[in-house]
Amino acid sequence: GQQLNQSPQSMFIQEGEDVSMNCTSSSIFNTWLWYKQDPGEGPVLLIALYKAGELTSNGRLTAQFGITRKDSFLNISASIPSDVGIYFCAGQTTSGTYKYIFGTGTRLKVLA
Amino acid sequence: NAGVMQNPRHLVRRRGQEARLRCSPMKGHSHVYWYRQLPEEGLKFMVYLQKENIIDESGMPKERFSAEFPKEGPSILRIQQVVRGDSAAYFCASSPPLRPDGNEQFFGPGTRLTVL
Repeated sequence: GQQLNQSPQSMFIQEGEDVSMNCTSSSIFNTWLWYKQDPGEGPVLLIALYKAGELTSNGRLTAQFGITRKDSFLNISASIPSDVGIYFCAGQTTSGTYKYIFGTGTRLKVLA
Repeated sequence: NAGVMQNPRHLVRRRGQEARLRCSPMKGHSHVYWYRQLPEEGLKFMVYLQKENIIDESGMPKERFSAEFPKEGPSILRIQQVVRGDSAAYFCASSPPLRPDGNEQFFGPGTRLTVL
């Protein structure tokens, strides 16, 4: 089946630093979604990307849909302690039932 | 506009018992998805339903697991004769009908199942 490789798996950064994470696949996707999950909670949608090459921002977050439609990245600028959590990418399949496939997550820890 | 609702939030069962997890989608959403998440892992797709119809159950274990989304009421994920390996967080998400050009999917808070 289709798989998403998300990297890095985890990262420790200093408060104020910028963060970058990405998802890649051998298959193309129609849509990329980026989520953040806090401990004990459900994932919260951060950004949705619908077109190859699209660059979208949400506050300090910026995400891009790769031109090849096989990858996406998420940047967080000037990180703050509340950015701690797990970030997931999800790609929508291009055939069949158009369901979403999730990456394995990037665990972000911010050191004050 | 209430979000996706799941209950119970926590469920404890003994081996061999049945677990029933409920999900009410966001208002206006006709499609429901169930995912399983083990500790320190990502979300694994289980099943995708619309009212009275299973669209994709390719991620559902062949035995003991079933899902429904009746015309009235919430979607139910049912696990019969639970085993310790079923312990996980189960998340429900909802969306409008999926389009080839993309939709957004919103998650509930999850049900954490513990099998003793």
